[in-house]
Amino acid sequence: DVKVTQSSRYLVKRTGEKVFLECVQDMDHENMFWYRQDPGLGLRLIYFSYDVKMKEKGDIPEGYSVSREKKERFSLILESASTNQTSMYLCATVSPGEDTQYFGPGTRLTVL
Amino acid sequence: EDQVTQSPEALRLQEGESSSLNCSYTVSGLRGLFWYRQDPGKGPEFLFTLYSAGEEKEKERLKATLTKKESFLHITAPKPEDSATYLCAVQAVSGYALNFGKGTSLLVTP
Repeated sequence: DVKVTQSSRYLVKRTGEKVFLECVQDMDHENMFWYRQDPGLGLRLIYFSYDVKMKEKGDIPEGYSVSREKKERFSLILESASTNQTSMYLCATVSPGEDTQYFGPGTRLTVL
Repeated sequence: EDQVTQSPEALRLQEGESSSLNCSYTVSGLRGLFWYRQDPGKGPEFLFTLYSAGEEKEKERLKATLTKKESFLHITAPKPEDSATYLCAVQAVSGYALNFGKGTSLLVTP
């Protein structure tokens, strides 16, 4: 079974703070993704990575950056958190040779 | 531009009352269509992948079908534990990313 873990289930931060969200997979997958999910807007892709140190912008990368130093770990960074970044953040990974994305449990981030 | 539209937005069924959820899509070359189930406060859970028109997949009370323009998720004799949001997503041949619909929120009452 694919296992995707995210560092926190719930997180509360203040405006202007630097925020790190971490995603870890244990299956040696190359492709990893970060989405955010908001009511009425669905899931939207922020960034994805297809290998260590490789990244591509998704549909809504503004205000975010990512880091992939090791294959199993993909971090989403909010350089200066703002209230409009309050959301559910979901990480996903894809098995080699497959197309299906498997999701982690999500991190509910609140920025005050 | 790829587009995914799910209907209805919300559906309430009595236990045992079968129905279907719709996912209409436009994509420049379909690589795959995916169905997920999502419970409140949790990440989406993978259900099915469909690759070509005419393909069907089944799992317990769920059956997914695919045409060139839409997919249906048929729920036969649903139970309260089937209550969840069902998400549809498409992947184009040109890329890695999934383009999601906004989901159908299903409530099954005893």
